[in-house]
Amino acid sequence: NAGVTQTPKFQVLKTGQSMTLQCAQDMNHNSMYWYRQDPGMGLRLIYYSASEGTTDKGEVPNGYNVSRLNKREFSLRLESAAPSQTSVYFCASSEAGGLGGYTFGSGTRLTVV
Amino acid sequence: RKEVEQDPGPFNVPEGATVAFNCTYSNSASQSFFWYRQDCRKEPKLLMSVYSSGNEDGRFTAQLNRASQYISLLIRDSKLSDSATYLCVVNKRTPLVFGKGTRLSVIA
Repeated sequence: NAGVTQTPKFQVLKTGQSMTLQCAQDMNHNSMYWYRQDPGMGLRLIYYSASEGTTDKGEVPNGYNVSRLNKREFSLRLESAAPSQTSVYFCASSEAGGLGGYTFGSGTRLTVV
Repeated sequence: RKEVEQDPGPFNVPEGATVAFNCTYSNSASQSFFWYRQDCRKEPKLLMSVYSSGNEDGRFTAQLNRASQYISLLIRDSKLSDSATYLCVVNKRTPLVFGKGTRLSVIA
């Protein structure tokens, strides 16, 4: 059982380039989330999707877009990468409402130079 | 006041010690509570949920005080493998709010 799968695991981008981070879950969860984690800042929510067909902004949405492609997949897009977006990105999923906690993917380490 | 506050540590304790972490939350309407563990350069993983009556899982005990808006995690007989960052997590609806974590180092 794979759980939550994120690709790629590592990526280096030049300023201004675009890329899409992929996330897929096989637990039939309704809700999915994208977080970024920076030293001293903890996990900060970028966007989330409470259910298929819906997306909402989190704490730090600027510079990002998301797509809930279907129940399994939730992608995060950086249209024009900036050095401030250098971070570790985690995707997570949960049952509706998150009352049972989240399951995280193993993360994507992104460096923007 | 931040939504979830934790002492960042680090807590450096010898093997076999008992260590306690505390966490406060600001929203009295919060409904569910968790402790997560995060190893260096890894994803957070659910350690245990926290129930109003308190709950125990082996060497780990979690307590919730709704009146004081306070959550605690007690680790008894610390092992080297307990070295990690422990995240306090609170949910008032969706999504979860994560504390910044408390770093624990267990020393031989």
